[in-house]
Amino acid sequence: AQKITQTQPGMFVQEKEAVTLDCTYDTSDQSYGLFWYKQPSSGEMIFLIYQGSYDEQNATEGRYSLNFQKARKSANLVISASQLGDSAMYFCAMRDLLYNNNDMRFGAGTRLTVKP
Amino acid sequence: DVKVTQSSRYLVKRTGEKVFLECVQDMDHENMFWYRQDPGLGLRLIYFSYDVKMKEKGDIPEGYSVSREKKERFSLILESASTNQTSMYLCASSPGGPSSGNTIYFGEGSWLTVV
Repeated sequence: AQKITQTQPGMFVQEKEAVTLDCTYDTSDQSYGLFWYKQPSSGEMIFLIYQGSYDEQNATEGRYSLNFQKARKSANLVISASQLGDSAMYFCAMRDLLYNNNDMRFGAGTRLTVKP
Repeated sequence: DVKVTQSSRYLVKRTGEKVFLECVQDMDHENMFWYRQDPGLGLRLIYFSYDVKMKEKGDIPEGYSVSREKKERFSLILESASTNQTSMYLCASSPGGPSSGNTIYFGEGSWLTVV
């Protein structure tokens, strides 16, 4: 069974600095996708970034990058130049890619607070 | 834009009541999901459906059932609500097939309080 672990319940970062949110996973699947979502206080889930297990390059989307280390089974999210609007819950998630009918599993989340 | 609409944003129900949470998506997605979100536990999968009338149990199906009579609609049913089902419920959908490695799309969430 898949398992996602986010060990940081809460993180603080100074505005304009970079921050890394940790995510490790456990799976026996050979082909899988890793995702990060942001959830502001309004409750909506906002997709941030995706990494496929066979992608050789680390994914980047604007200020977001995913530090993917397959051998260590980690998929950390790096946010550069933090902004006050980055304060939110962040969830790491994983999905098997091999089968057509596949669900997505989430970690417990990390609450990021950006300080002015 | 993909739209996933949950019928109720906030509900208050009494213990023992039957509760229906409705979810509709407008992108002809094969897969639909119901998650429950609790502080410190993240999102936990209750049920998902990969086709009309098809369903699979997630990690915490006890106390819940689902219905998917039409492709665009996926309902979560609490047969007899209990206070430990007070939570935020999130519906989501995604395309089927190998391309389903892409993200899933969430509704805005339904905050259910059982008193």
